[in-house]
Amino acid sequence: EPEVTQTPSHQVTQMGQEVILRCVPISNHLYFYWYRQILGQKVEFLVSFYNNEISEKSEIFDDQFSVERPDGSNFTLKIRSTKLEDSAMYFCASSEALHAGVTYNEQFFGPGTRLTVL
Amino acid sequence: AQKVTQAQTEISVVEKEDVTLDCVYETRDTTYYLFWYKQPPSGELVFLIRRNSFDEQNEISGRYSWNFQKSTSSFNFTITASQVVDSAVYFCALSDSWGKFQFGAGTQVVVTP
Repeated sequence: EPEVTQTPSHQVTQMGQEVILRCVPISNHLYFYWYRQILGQKVEFLVSFYNNEISEKSEIFDDQFSVERPDGSNFTLKIRSTKLEDSAMYFCASSEALHAGVTYNEQFFGPGTRLTVL
Repeated sequence: AQKVTQAQTEISVVEKEDVTLDCVYETRDTTYYLFWYKQPPSGELVFLIRRNSFDEQNEISGRYSWNFQKSTSSFNFTITASQVVDSAVYFCALSDSWGKFQFGAGTQVVVTP
């Protein structure tokens, strides 16, 4: 069964360092998403991406964050200068298409990358 | 704006008891999707169910059942005859037609033997 994969599973970094979180969406999917979950809190939407551009982003997704699809398979989230409060689980998700009326295109979540900023 | 409220922070039950998790949502969209996810201690999000706004049929899957009531904007989840393996955080989520998810705060379910 196809699945979304994420690497690494756990990333530890020093405050101020740049990190890149990697995701490999399901191969025929066109829409890609990043979510964040601070420990003990709810999952929060960060950004959605389609056709090589951001389609929507939340207020959390400030200039420190960027996303990219550098090739045909990877989807990355970059945090330029990490802060302590960036420590969280980051989930990638992908879907084949957007919802269209009652036709639902399920969003599949990856297993997450736990980012720890020291 | 979309909002999902899970008022129960934690529910503790003894094995074999039933447990019902409440979820109340707010949206102005006429087309939307509701979900439940399970998050075990390992951290991944496990998809349990999806419901679209046009389908108010309740659903049962094994020991899990869901009650969707548009009139009260609720999508409650019941685990019947709970087991220790059901211990996890359960999230209710709402998605609009553009695929953007709004998650509730989650309910921690603790099932003790």
